[in-house]
Amino acid sequence: GAGVSQSPSNKVTEKGKDVELRCDPISGHTALYWYRQSLGQGLEFLIYFQGNSAPDKSGLPSDRFSAERTGGSVSTLTIQRTQQEDSAVYLCASSPERGRNQPQHFGDGTRLSIL
Amino acid sequence: AQSVTQPDIHITVSEGASLELRCNYSYGATPYLFWYVQSPGQGLQLLLKYFSGDTLVQGIKGFEAEFKRSQSSFNLRKPSVHWSDAAEYFCAVGDPTSGTYKYIFGTGTRLKVLA
Repeated sequence: GAGVSQSPSNKVTEKGKDVELRCDPISGHTALYWYRQSLGQGLEFLIYFQGNSAPDKSGLPSDRFSAERTGGSVSTLTIQRTQQEDSAVYLCASSPERGRNQPQHFGDGTRLSIL
Repeated sequence: AQSVTQPDIHITVSEGASLELRCNYSYGATPYLFWYVQSPGQGLQLLLKYFSGDTLVQGIKGFEAEFKRSQSSFNLRKPSVHWSDAAEYFCAVGDPTSGTYKYIFGTGTRLKVLA
């Protein structure tokens, strides 16, 4: 596609439920990143994919958070047993290649609200 | 550890006035530097980037930024602000030596433009 696509754009769920957030990167981009933007804070790195592997998961806040990427394209971020502090905007970004002079391109994000 | 500081949480300027948004970073060498803009409900759009070379970089929408190594700064400027520039602006750094090329973001500066 023309840009990074994220779905859903908004998600409201009850505390304790599991949620899945989807990211469809720009076609041909091998690097994919997830960030979290909480109210009043900047963007916090969660996880990085190069192809289907995730060499850097250092930003995942707890074991309730996981992510996968299949076919070197679409990625899913899963949050299990959601808590109210998980409420945030989750942003996905992609870039053509790791370690090169290529900026990251961002999607519009998924706004997650935990009731 | 890398860090990015945007000292101004909010800035208000009149339309047609000049603008400077401050960004300071902490990093052992010269990082990759970026400015992104985020309009409400949308993702981040890249304004400009610095990797190396000329320290004054031009971006989209009439923005420019200057890298000053001695001050560890990468301030964003625009000579004449338009009402459509009202948004949140994020400075980010990338570590060119890391294996993941993840970004560290500042907490953002929200720009308000008075008619």
